[in-house]
Amino acid sequence: GAVVSQHPSWVICKSGTSVKIECRSLDFQATTMFWYRQFPKQSLMLMATSNEGSKATYEQGVEKDKFLINHASLTLSTLTVTSAHPEDSSFYICSAAGANEKLFFGSGTQLSVL
Amino acid sequence: EDQVTQSPEALRLQEGESSSLNCSYTVSGLRGLFWYRQDPGKGPEFLFTLYSAGEEKEKERLKATLTKKESFLHITAPKPEDSATYLCAVQGNNFNKFYFGSGTKLNVKP
Repeated sequence: GAVVSQHPSWVICKSGTSVKIECRSLDFQATTMFWYRQFPKQSLMLMATSNEGSKATYEQGVEKDKFLINHASLTLSTLTVTSAHPEDSSFYICSAAGANEKLFFGSGTQLSVL
Repeated sequence: EDQVTQSPEALRLQEGESSSLNCSYTVSGLRGLFWYRQDPGKGPEFLFTLYSAGEEKEKERLKATLTKKESFLHITAPKPEDSATYLCAVQGNNFNKFYFGSGTKLNVKP
């Protein structure tokens, strides 16, 4: 199946700093990528939909100035958590839709904000 | 309103004890129903896509079926390595929208 690479796998940062997470589709072009947040023992919560070359579409309640999304190419989308605080600590997962509209996921990033 | 409900929330089985996981859905124009497996601390791993009622897919000990209202993931003679959370998602008319269920956490004891 298609491969989506996400890194870093985990990151620890100090409160107030910014963290960037990368999501790459390795063997296919993805015009649309999705960013999710997952709390322990809960399902995926869609944060935003990222379209190549245009602004991301954020779900209700997600702060666009807090979670900056850039989809500069057909194989790369980035999520930057700006001025991170402990409540932003979570597991972040990206996914990309291939030409057959199947959805493939990255391995996730565990963010811990101290 | 489009939504996906999975049951049970958690399932404990003995090794070799077959069972089924349920995914009930309501969606405007089903484009696809997806099953994923998620291990702790990892992203979901794709298992199956089902597109129309009556369709079935199999992979090793897993078999997914689909009706117009629900999908079942049947696990035959499970092994401890099948322990994971199984997620169901549906894609409706809006290509960009995938609706996820809350998952079923499966624990298979040796």
